[in-house]
Amino acid sequence: AQSVTQLGSHVSVSEGALVLLRCNYSSSVPPYLFWYVQYPNQGLQLLLKYTTGATLVKGINGFEAEFKKSETSFHLTKPSAHMSDAAEYFCAVSRNTDKLIFGTGTRLQVFP
Amino acid sequence: DARVTQTPRHKVTEMGQEVTMRCQPILGHNTVFWYRQTMMQGLELLAYFRNRAPLDDSGMPKDRFSAEMPDATLATLKIQPSEPRDSAVYFCASGSPTSGSSYNEQFFGPGTRLTVL
Repeated sequence: AQSVTQLGSHVSVSEGALVLLRCNYSSSVPPYLFWYVQYPNQGLQLLLKYTTGATLVKGINGFEAEFKKSETSFHLTKPSAHMSDAAEYFCAVSRNTDKLIFGTGTRLQVFP
Repeated sequence: DARVTQTPRHKVTEMGQEVTMRCQPILGHNTVFWYRQTMMQGLELLAYFRNRAPLDDSGMPKDRFSAEMPDATLATLKIQPSEPRDSAVYFCASGSPTSGSSYNEQFFGPGTRLTVL
């Protein structure tokens, strides 16, 4: 069975600081991995995805994530946080199925 | 600009009333998902359809919830009778293996915020 664990339900950073949101997955087969972002009162929007190939994936808004099979991780990073990055971020896993298994989400706060 | 649309955006109703939520998937997408989001449970998949046929509704309480796709441009989620514990945000998402993107890349609508008093 597949599952996703997001460490830290809340993360706070200062504007300009590094953003690191953690995601670990459990999958019996090589997974597809996703990060979605949800802004207040909106639906989820795809930030980036890993399916095959290069393990460092770049997404929208300056975010990137690295698939590390040995660590079963897919952490999301951004070198310099912006106020507009404040949102909830969801990691998700899937493989050989239409269904996405979502983590519980991490709320990112950015302070000036 | 292709988007998933959902109506209504907000719904307040009294316990026992019927609630119908509607979703228009992105034109050409043949897979539609219904999710429920609450603080306690997070994002839960209720049901999904491929080419209008239900593939999985195991996440949906069968006694009061029903989901249908009357045609390719409309998906509905109905609760009858509604209960206060159904209060949540309900999201529709669509996708397609023929869209050129990963077959399980899902595009989400803005959600319907349901409050049952």
